[in-house]
Amino acid sequence: DQQVKQNSPSLSVQEGRISILNCDYTNSMFDYFLWYKKYPAEGPTFLISISSIKDKNEDGRFTVFLNKSAKHLSLHIVPSQPGDSAVYFCAASQAAGNKLTFGGGTRVLVKP
Amino acid sequence: GAGVSQSPRYKVAKRGQDVALRCDPISGHVSLFWYQQALGQGPEFLTYFQNEAQLDKSGLPSDRFFAERPEGSVSTLKIQRTQQEDSAVYLCASSLGLAGTMNTEAFFGQGTRLTVV
Repeated sequence: DQQVKQNSPSLSVQEGRISILNCDYTNSMFDYFLWYKKYPAEGPTFLISISSIKDKNEDGRFTVFLNKSAKHLSLHIVPSQPGDSAVYFCAASQAAGNKLTFGGGTRVLVKP
Repeated sequence: GAGVSQSPRYKVAKRGQDVALRCDPISGHVSLFWYQQALGQGPEFLTYFQNEAQLDKSGLPSDRFFAERPEGSVSTLKIQRTQQEDSAVYLCASSLGLAGTMNTEAFFGQGTRLTVV
């Protein structure tokens, strides 16, 4: 039973355009959500997080939106850059610092 | 180094062999997590330490998996009698604070890729 799902395994976008990555979850106990970025042969790197008391969090080019009633979150990258090409994982936990439940990842390719 | 360090980076084991994977967390980090990442999937939680105490081992797939962190710093994940389904990348992560407090961002190591043949 996958509690966190990323339904798009891959995404291709032109440099300068917006990348939108989606994530759905089923466990209503999840209270804290994160996005991680992973390059080949490296560990995941934290990008941005959001608590369930918010519906939006921004950090530079990265914005995470949370729709708690729909159990859906999304990551917007604007503008997309070639260096953003990586696998992005959505993750959820019952509180900040707790164990993470990850989605399957979305591979993003930003074309110059 | 400043980051989480894992060794070895790659390990090939024959089926039935025992393996030990090491994680050096960031100095002073209280929380330590192990995750298993199968090919093409997201990481899955294995176990959690708060200092030397193993507070959650609910993700360990069988009793062949054992983890320890005896002095609250370095951790070792041991897999006994390895099977082909154990082939995966094993990731270690550490964070400064306790769950539910500040400073809870988890920093991941590069992982150990285990291949069981």
